[in-house]
Amino acid sequence: LAKTTQPISMDSYEGQEVNITCSHNNIATNDYITWYQQFPSQGPRFIIQGYKTKVTNEVASLFIPADRKSSTLSLPRVSLSDTAVYYCLVVRSDSWGKLQFGAGTQVVVTP
Amino acid sequence: KAGVTQTPRYLIKTRGQQVTLSCSPISGHRSVSWYQQTPGQGLQFLFEYFSETQRNKGNFPGRFSGRQFSNSRSEMNVSTLELGDSALYLCASSLVGDPTDTQYFGPGTRLTVL
Repeated sequence: LAKTTQPISMDSYEGQEVNITCSHNNIATNDYITWYQQFPSQGPRFIIQGYKTKVTNEVASLFIPADRKSSTLSLPRVSLSDTAVYYCLVVRSDSWGKLQFGAGTQVVVTP
Repeated sequence: KAGVTQTPRYLIKTRGQQVTLSCSPISGHRSVSWYQQTPGQGLQFLFEYFSETQRNKGNFPGRFSGRQFSNSRSEMNVSTLELGDSALYLCASSLVGDPTDTQYFGPGTRLTVL
């Protein structure tokens, strides 16, 4: 299974764009890249998923270069409520119902 | 649509006891996965059930078991509790458990073992 490496923590101010880069050097051809967000004492919440190039939804963008060995989650114009832990996951095509979480990145947004 | 519900939300047990946690998935979801979250080990996958069958399993001892009912509701059981079993237990449901399915997590059950 592809191991992921992401920064332990990041600080930002309200209104700024936050970019979290995740390294997954051993990603396999059929693996997907998925990001979840977790607030304290709550279950994780799906943010975005992609396979290659760029994916955008109403809350974030995911950039994946051609070699797929890394990915960057971009959160535009963060607010205080975006303070959370963000997890980068590589999901195997045969991992039915299984998500493998790493340590995640603690993002702290201040006024 | 109602989200994933877990009961109870909080539980206190003593070493050696057993505990059963319950998870009701989102209506129409047939896959239920269970996770354990601790400060030291983070979020770890326990097992996944689909159509009343355990389809995937993490690296936990046999004291951790689960089952799924015909209505997709799931329970997990931990026998002979140890202090280290204190954790937040999360369940997540998805349509069929496909890797591209979004998993929707419940609020969790906070288990404290004394």
